[in-house]
Amino acid sequence: DQQVKQNSPSLSVQEGRISILNCDYTNSMFDYFLWYKKYPAEGPTFLISISSIKDKNEDGRFTVFLNKSAKHLSLHIVPSQPGDSAVYFCAASEGGSEKLVFGKGTKLTVNP
Amino acid sequence: KAGVTQTPRYLIKTRGQQVTLSCSPISGHRSVSWYQQTPGQGLQFLFEYFSETQRNKGNFPGRFSGRQFSNSRSEMNVSTLELGDSALYLCASSLEAGGGSPQHFGDGTRLSIL
Repeated sequence: DQQVKQNSPSLSVQEGRISILNCDYTNSMFDYFLWYKKYPAEGPTFLISISSIKDKNEDGRFTVFLNKSAKHLSLHIVPSQPGDSAVYFCAASEGGSEKLVFGKGTKLTVNP
Repeated sequence: KAGVTQTPRYLIKTRGQQVTLSCSPISGHRSVSWYQQTPGQGLQFLFEYFSETQRNKGNFPGRFSGRQFSNSRSEMNVSTLELGDSALYLCASSLEAGGGSPQHFGDGTRLSIL
């Protein structure tokens, strides 16, 4: 039973354009959501997070949107850069727990 | 500021052996969590420690265990290794327990079972 789903295994965009990565969840008790970026042979790097009391959080080129009614969140990267090419993981946790439930990841390729 | 440090980076063991992996959290971080990453199952939560106490445990057999020391450093142990234990083991630390603050990961220990 996959509680966090990233339905697109891969995404390819042109440099300078917007990258939109999507994530769906089934557990309505999740109240904290995070995005991580992972390069090969490295651990996941924290990008941005959002609490369920918000619907948007922005940090530089990265914006996360949360739609609680649809149980959907997305990560927008604008503008996309070749260095953004990596696997992106969506993760969620529920009330007071450090346990993160991860999606399977989306491989983003930004072409110069 | 130093990140999460995991040792060793690579390890090769044979079936039936046991292994201990080490994790030093970011300075000042008191919560340490462990995850297993495999191609088939993705990233799965193993357990979380705070103030030397296990607060949460994932759905793994009792062969997987861990502990945390008073300086917040943590170790995990896997006994009676099986081929399926081959994976990347990741440690993450956060400032406090209780959710709501991001976890920061180390680069992992790649464990291969022959």
